[in-house]
Parts: sequence; C-alpha cells; structure tokens
Amino acid sequence: QVQLVESGGGVVQPGRSLRLSCAASGFTFSSYGMHWVRQAPGKGLEWVAVISYDGSNKYYADSVKGRFTISRDNSKNTLYLQMNSLRAEDTAVYYCAKDKAPGELGFAFDIWGQGTMVTVSS
Amino acid sequence: DIVMTQSPDSLAVSLGERATINCKSSQSVLYSSNNKNYLAWYQQKPGQPPKLLIYWASTRESGVPDRFSGSGSGTDFTLTISSLQAEDVAVYYCQQYYSTPSFGPGTKVDIK
Repeated sequence: QVQLVESGGGVVQPGRSLRLSCAASGFTFSSYGMHWVRQAPGKGLEWVAVISYDGSNKYYADSVKGRFTISRDNSKNTLYLQMNSLRAEDTAVYYCAKDKAPGELGFAFDIWGQGTMVTVSS
Repeated sequence: DIVMTQSPDSLAVSLGERATINCKSSQSVLYSSNNKNYLAWYQQKPGQPPKLLIYWASTRESGVPDRFSGSGSGTDFTLTISSLQAEDVAVYYCQQYYSTPSFGPGTKVDIK
C-alpha cells in the first residue's frame, strides 16, 4: 500500500545539524512533488518545504530558508530534509507528505507519514 | 504569502447535529484559468498525522463519509459535518495550495 515512513529525528543541541529521511513505497515516487510539514508540541501545522517530482524546483518557508535543504533521491524512493543551525523553535514533529496528483506542484497532500520528532535542546 | 484564518477556534456539537467551520484566505485562491479553488480540508486526531478530507474546496477524498462537505470560493470557505459522529472529534485545518502552502490555525471539534 502507499506508505511514507520518516526517520532521523532525535534530540540535538542548538546550532547543530540533523538530516531527516522519508522512505516512500506503493507509488511511483519519481512522479510526485513532496513536502515537509512540521507541528510543534500542542500547536498547529506549519508547511516547511516542497520539492518538485524531478528535484528541479524547491521552495521553503521563510522560517527555515537558508538553514534547511530539501532533496530527493528518486533511485532510492527517498525524500530528505537537511536541517542546519537548529534552534529551539524548530522543535516539532516533522511529517513528509505527498502531492495528490503527479507532475507539477499545486495539489493537496493526500498521503502523510507518521512523523518523526525533533527536539532542539541543550 | 497567503494567510489563512479559521473560526471558531473550537466548538462543541451534540451527536447527530451539524458542525460548521469557516476558513478565510488573505487573498483569493481561485485560479481563473481552470476555475478551481486551491483549498483543502484536513482532519487530525490526537497522535495521528493529518488526513485529507476535501480538496479543490468541495471534492471529497475517496473513502471520506458523505456527511463531510466543503463549499465556498475565492476567499471564504466552509467545512460542514452534517451529522456529527463520535469519531469526528478532532482538529480540522484548512490549507491553501494556490501558492507556497499555508494552513489555518485549526478548529477543535468536541461533543457537547
């Protein structure tokens, strides 16, 4: 079945780096735009970044621009989020999510992973 | 950036009664070339990821009960649960995907 599984979360000190992964299965990963969305404890959803199906287009929320990098390896059906210069306010559950339709960006998110927790604390 | 707002912040409805959630975008999310509203609704239960309910403002996702419906156009949208069931207790978010995506703050729905 269609599935997204995140990994790589954990506890990290402020200023350090962490890389999240999202393993996809059950669909043609290389045809779909992919997103990262985060949710701080007890808070709402915040969109973080998107990458187009072929990796040629990437967009970021202002809150992470210049610190986070989204990438993908279509040969491995895996999405990544490289997070540098982490701050306490980056503490959240990070979800990967799939565009509902293939091709160019501009769709709702129909499949979500279970999320991976990132805690930034000294 | 498009800012999404929702009202109310929370509501409590009796079982079998109607629940209505409003969502407003800071600019139109209606794309004139295809006449589609780039607006989705999600349901999130505690400890779970969000679940897509409605996209294109009014199209129900496969498997979503028909008591859930979406309406509206341009900047004003509504999610209606026609007859609230116990399993509908959750937080509901609207989202625009007209430009870089953004979510509303959420509306918590409880049983009265």
